[in-house]
Amino acid sequence: DIQMTQSPSSLAASVGDRVTITCQASQDISHHLNWFQQKPGKAPRLLVFGASNLETGVPSRFSGSGSGTHFTFTISSLQPEDFATYFCQQYDNLFTFGPGTRVDVK
Amino acid sequence: QMKLQESGPGLVKPSETLSLTCTVSGGSISTYYYSWIRQSPGKGLEWIAYVFYTGTTKYNPSLEGRVTVSVDTARNQISLRVKSVTAADTAVYYCARGLYDDRPFDYWGQGTLVAVSS
Repeated sequence: DIQMTQSPSSLAASVGDRVTITCQASQDISHHLNWFQQKPGKAPRLLVFGASNLETGVPSRFSGSGSGTHFTFTISSLQPEDFATYFCQQYDNLFTFGPGTRVDVK
Repeated sequence: QMKLQESGPGLVKPSETLSLTCTVSGGSISTYYYSWIRQSPGKGLEWIAYVFYTGTTKYNPSLEGRVTVSVDTARNQISLRVKSVTAADTAVYYCARGLYDDRPFDYWGQGTLVAVSS
């Protein structure tokens, strides 16, 4: 099965900062990678699908890139509502999630 | 606006069967397929299985044999059964819908916490 890793596991940032999270797959998954945001007590919310496509209604400060085994998720200018945990998820062979990256207030 | 609502017992005894229902409202159940996903502090997010409105299913190999998912199109419900539960099955269980493209989990229910304890 395909394993997903994320780095960092957590980070502290300020409003307005550029935030970058990386996700690595244990084998080539092409562009079959999605990104989710989860806030405490809430279900995950889909932000980016197909590695780089923004879901409808998601602000343009969020973006994703990459293919194969290495992927990047970026928040260009962190907003107060963006403090949350972010997960990557592959769908090339069944489905597996990364362990998450928690974005906290600096 | 489609809504997914999970329901079921919040407490299950070890060795018994966990049964949950996801009720779909505000849209046609046949437009999507549906997955069960669980989240626990120890194992993170784990996909359990999916089911199409036709009844076709696919299971996570790590859980296959203990898990059954089914769909009732007349009631707009998706069901999950996990037998022989242990404390490791304690988690928040989510129902999520999938589109037939690059979005297998484009919208999720709010989730329901199930604890396995005697």
